[in-house]
Amino acid sequence: AQKVTQAQTEISVVEKEDVTLDCVYETRDTTYYLFWYKQPPSGELVFLIRRNSFDEQNEISGRYSWNFQKSTSSFNFTITASQVVDSAVYFCALSGAGGTSYGKLTFGQGTILTVHP
Amino acid sequence: DAGITQSPRYKITETGRQVTLMCHQTWSHSYMFWYRQDLGHGLRLIYYSAAADITDKGEVPDGYVVSRSKTENFPLTLESATRSQTSVYFCASRGTGGNSPLHFGNGTRLTVT
Repeated sequence: AQKVTQAQTEISVVEKEDVTLDCVYETRDTTYYLFWYKQPPSGELVFLIRRNSFDEQNEISGRYSWNFQKSTSSFNFTITASQVVDSAVYFCALSGAGGTSYGKLTFGQGTILTVHP
Repeated sequence: DAGITQSPRYKITETGRQVTLMCHQTWSHSYMFWYRQDLGHGLRLIYYSAAADITDKGEVPDGYVVSRSKTENFPLTLESATRSQTSVYFCASRGTGGNSPLHFGNGTRLTVT
């Protein structure tokens, strides 16, 4: 069975601080995919990034960066110089590449990020 | 406009009533999903479908029924609503690639009184 753990239930920071959201996963699949989604206060779920298990390169997109470490089964998300608009619930998710886990995303419980002005 | 549409956005129903949540997508995606979101549980998969007329249970299927007679529609029915089914329900779809992200509808907030 697949499992995603986001140990941080809530994080509160002041604007311009850097913040890292942790994600740890469990899977028996040798090939799998990891995702991050953002859910702003308006409620929609917005896709942020996808990472394949065979690609361990870190990625940076503007103020966002993602650190994928297969050795520790982690896929952490860092926001640099946080802004109030970053306030949202962030979900990490995992999908297998075959068998019964193919195509189905298993989500973590989410981390509520609040950025104060 | 292309996308995925859920209806209604809000629904209040009474215990024991049948209620159907609608989901329609215009991308011709093969895969469609129903998730429920509850505080402390994140998003949990109820049912999914790999193609028309093919459906399968997810993590929390009890009390729900789905059908998929057409590729673009994936309705979710609560046959006899219970208060524990009060939740926000999200429909999603994705393409056939294993790494394709899910695209979500805006959700339906269901309250069972």
